Amino acid sequence: QKEVEQDPGPLSVPEGAIVSLNCTYSNSAFQYFMWYRQYSRKGPELLMYTYSSGNKEDGRFTAQVDKSSKYISLFIRDSQPSDSATYLCAMRGPGGGYQKVTFGIGTKLQVIP
Amino acid sequence: EAGVTQFPSHSVIEKGQTVTLRCDPISGHDNLYWYRRVMGKEIKFLLHFVKESKQDESGMPNNRFLAERTGGTYSTLKVQPAELEDSGVYFCASNRRTGYEQFFGPGTRLTVL
Repeated sequence: QKEVEQDPGPLSVPEGAIVSLNCTYSNSAFQYFMWYRQYSRKGPELLMYTYSSGNKEDGRFTAQVDKSSKYISLFIRDSQPSDSATYLCAMRGPGGGYQKVTFGIGTKLQVIP
Repeated sequence: EAGVTQFPSHSVIEKGQTVTLRCDPISGHDNLYWYRRVMGKEIKFLLHFVKESKQDESGMPNNRFLAERTGGTYSTLKVQPAELEDSGVYFCASNRRTGYEQFFGPGTRLTVL
């Protein structure tokens, strides 16, 4: 069983739609949860960072973590063509930022104008 | 501030040959990480340096892979001899000792024929 499960998509939505991306995980030790965005031929770029359960909002992006269900989500409101990218969920255990990060496979998102 | 840089961006070699990948972290970042993404799979952790010391090598696939970070600055990852299954994108990331975000480079795409 994979530690992190993520639907690879692709997911295609019209511009302005609300996008919902999610991941499930099996390792109870994970405490820090992240979403990375990766454009083609580029490295992953941190989008959202959350500690433990709860919600975090940043502009059009909202990250949710439900540790009891081992389920994390990323919502994108008013999606734009520039949001077209691969979105990777990622997580790590307790301790500092030097801990290794475990990634989901990534969901490829296309926002159609 | 310059980001993490990796060289080369793309390498094509034949099975049995040797390849050396280079990563230059962000200046002042003590932590340096190598990750790998094999086609169709998740990005997987390979190893972690703190300055010139290897802190965690748990993700290194076998002894054909050798990572070094002489002087605690740039790092190299050598694959010798390369096998077909070594093909993939190799990412380098770095952060400060107290930082939580790992900054990723654009990756080196390795193709073994």
